[in-house]
Amino acid sequence: QVQLVQSGAEVKKPGASVKVSCKASGYTFTSYYVHWVRQAPGQGLEWMGIMRPSGGTTMYARKFQGRVAVTMDTSTSTVYMELSSLRSEDTAVYYCAREFPQSYSFDYWGQGTLVTVSS
Amino acid sequence: QSVLTQPPSASGTPGQRVTISCSGSSSNIGTNIVNWYQQLPGTAPKLLIYSTNHRPSGVPDRFSGSKSGTSASLAISGLQSEDEADYCCAAWDDSLFGYVFGPGTRVTVL
Repeated sequence: QVQLVQSGAEVKKPGASVKVSCKASGYTFTSYYVHWVRQAPGQGLEWMGIMRPSGGTTMYARKFQGRVAVTMDTSTSTVYMELSSLRSEDTAVYYCAREFPQSYSFDYWGQGTLVTVSS
Repeated sequence: QSVLTQPPSASGTPGQRVTISCSGSSSNIGTNIVNWYQQLPGTAPKLLIYSTNHRPSGVPDRFSGSKSGTSASLAISGLQSEDEADYCCAAWDDSLFGYVFGPGTRVTVL
């Protein structure tokens, strides 16, 4: 069955970076895009960016450009999201999600990774 | 401030029909498909409706989606206690060149 398993919770200080992993299984890794979405406490969902594993290309939300980097390792079917220059407002649950082909809809989600930014 | 707007809350008694609106603009809902997600407390979102009015396998047919102009709607007919959750709409935005979510509507079953 399709699974996206994310790395564990992180606590970071302001100004630091965090790298969250998302390991995919149960499907052909290169055939589906993977997105990153975050949710601050009590807030709605916020799209961050996309990885297209077939070509290794990425695209990021304007808000995060220059501060986020999504990479992948096809040998382990893992996508990574690194966010730098962390501030308290980046405290959120970060999700990876697989895109249902050509629909911009996310049919499978990771369990979420809580990133807490605190001095 | 979200590009897509939704009412913060909606409610109904078991068996009733509840409708949730999602208002956008010509750069998102007006030209692109709409998706809906259900999120139970403390869990990851679940795809409820894709491509405006299609249900993934396993989603009951009492959930339905529609779109007219720059607005979309999610209807829950025959409301059940397990439908108590947050529901949010989403679409690609051509102006922002990004994916946008609505703020979510909390549905309460009275």
